[in-house]
Amino acid sequence: DGGITQSPKYLFRKEGQNVTLSCEQNLNHDAMYWYRQDPGQGLRLIYYSQIVNDFQKGDIAEGYSVSREKKESFPLTVTSAQKNPTAFYLCASRRTSGTTDTQYFGPGTRLTVL
Amino acid sequence: QKEVEQNSGPLSVPEGAIASLNCTYSDRGSQSFFWYRQYSGKSPELIMFIYSNGDKEDGRFTAQLNKASQYVSLLIRDSQPSDSATYLCAVVRNQGAQKLVFGQGTRLTINP
Repeated sequence: DGGITQSPKYLFRKEGQNVTLSCEQNLNHDAMYWYRQDPGQGLRLIYYSQIVNDFQKGDIAEGYSVSREKKESFPLTVTSAQKNPTAFYLCASRRTSGTTDTQYFGPGTRLTVL
Repeated sequence: QKEVEQNSGPLSVPEGAIASLNCTYSDRGSQSFFWYRQYSGKSPELIMFIYSNGDKEDGRFTAQLNKASQYVSLLIRDSQPSDSATYLCAVVRNQGAQKLVFGQGTRLTINP
């Protein structure tokens, strides 16, 4: 059963703690992305990776870090330096096939800072 | 000026009518455009993409692109209550890396 999985679904963090959000895909997609969504807002790009062992900052990378050691996995760490981390975090992977080039999203992780 | 703008709504449409959602973008060089549907508390689901000027139809959905006027729209025919959701417009800023820029979304409600 192919797809994108994210865990955990809900995450609670105390101020000052780092937390890592998991994103895994078995679709054999090269590119993966992390977005953040705040209530009533669209998505904003945090980081993206086009290939293993390479990643680039998006529009709002401050306070976040990523790694891409395996094609299937693209974890996101929300560090204590992120001032307002409470949000819905969405991971996506990119499908390129013939003339189509699209992104598909995982189910998301909802992070709340207590 | 925001890169991608949508009317946040809510847009209320009677069941069976046509729902029309609009999106404007600022980068004249943008080439790829997407519509995602997002139910409350869920992740976005891709419903349409369009690359060329004109109309693209898929079932009850039609995407319309006008690059000269820098707008893209989504029409939903025979609207159903299950179409009630937030619709996100996304535009590719960097074609090579496919960096998506999203509008804030339009909340659509279909009234039975």
